[in-house]
Amino acid sequence: QKEVEQDPGPLSVPEGAIVSLNCTYSNSAFQYFMWYRQYSRKGPELLMYTYSSGNKEDGRFTAQVDKSSKYISLFIRDSQPSDSATYLCAMNVISSGSARQLTFGSGTQLTVLP
Amino acid sequence: EAQVTQNPRYLITVTGKKLTVTCSQNMNHEYMSWYRQDPGLGLRQIYYSMNVEVTDKGDVPEGYKVSRKEKRNFPLILESPSPNQTSLYFCASRGTGRAYGYTFGSGTRLTVV
Repeated sequence: QKEVEQDPGPLSVPEGAIVSLNCTYSNSAFQYFMWYRQYSRKGPELLMYTYSSGNKEDGRFTAQVDKSSKYISLFIRDSQPSDSATYLCAMNVISSGSARQLTFGSGTQLTVLP
Repeated sequence: EAQVTQNPRYLITVTGKKLTVTCSQNMNHEYMSWYRQDPGLGLRQIYYSMNVEVTDKGDVPEGYKVSRKEKRNFPLILESPSPNQTSLYFCASRGTGRAYGYTFGSGTRLTVV
């Protein structure tokens, strides 16, 4: 079983729709939870991050972490064609001498249709 | 501009011919990592470095080597490439104070025939 599971999609929605992207994980030691956006032929770019549990909002984007369920979500409101990309969740553990860095989900490909 | 620069962007090579993919960052970051990205498997860490002369294996290190002689550079070396190393490779870096703040390069698409 992978440490981080993410539905690969593809997901197609009409412009203006609310999009929900999700990941589940098995390692209860994860502390930072991130969402990266990757456009075609580009490297991933950090979209949002959350430390531990809770919600975080940034414009049209909301990140949620539920550590009790080991479940994280990214919501996109009023989705735009420019949001079309692959969205990757990522997590890590920070500890002294930590040997591990980011653990990624496999990514969800999103297309927002005009 | 703060960035991670990888070269080359595209590379086609033959089995067994040694190659090096370069990675350089201009942000004075301590941490640097190499990932490979394959369909359905996502990004998997190959090697990482916590500082100069400090490197360690990630999830899929077999067939790869790295070195960190200078803080800004972290080259990835394939001593004897094989077709199963055909993939999209990314270098990333972050500073010690930002556990979430990874900056990625634009990627190197490697094909081994």
